[in-house]
Amino acid sequence: QSALTQPASVSGSPGQSITISCTGTSSDVGFYSYVSWYQQHPGKAPKLLIYDVTKRSSGVSNRFSGSKSGNTASLTISGLQAEDEADYYCCSYVGASTWVFGGGTQLTVL
Amino acid sequence: QVQLVESGGGVVQPGGSLRLSCAASGFTFGSFGMHWVRQAPGKGLEWVAYIPYDGSNTYYADSVKGRFTISRDNSKNTMHLQMDSLRAEDTTLYYCAKDSGTYASDIWGHGTMVIVSS
Repeated sequence: QSALTQPASVSGSPGQSITISCTGTSSDVGFYSYVSWYQQHPGKAPKLLIYDVTKRSSGVSNRFSGSKSGNTASLTISGLQAEDEADYYCCSYVGASTWVFGGGTQLTVL
Repeated sequence: QVQLVESGGGVVQPGGSLRLSCAASGFTFGSFGMHWVRQAPGKGLEWVAYIPYDGSNTYYADSVKGRFTISRDNSKNTMHLQMDSLRAEDTTLYYCAKDSGTYASDIWGHGTMVIVSS
């Protein structure tokens, strides 16, 4: 159950688009279409953004989108806003009712 | 409204035990699986354990297998995490989370802090 690999940090200016990658293996991200993404502001609980690779959770802005290619999933945030500055985590189902998270990516809005 | 509230955290010596609780409200607790997820200060999220809606089985991360036990009481809308043989590396914030039914966690509590220190 090795953690999925995410970049430690990404940054972008307001209005721009950014993409956060999440790399796993053919046993997790590459095998299951059950990748989810979470947003976490400092001192707050995580919030579900995306599930099943591409589906937005209820109430989540359509500026957030998810995709997957091979063993790598991605979260794209378009029209970057100051409120998007947070930590982002991917998570993959890995079978036998177990899950693994990525190490997290800190997004800075310049 | 839909809410999860964790309790039971505190300071415990290495090798000691602690029992966390998660009280659910605002949804049909007995219809959903539940997770424990932890986060060390300044670190990332780590999935810890999962229990299906009916408590029929339990599943654990390798890091806690054999030391932690997840359980639930659907009559009291409550989930628990019994933590034994605690180690310094178990010092983290423990979140309970509701499984969405789609292999994700859609509702999270605010967490309860566990500190393992002599």
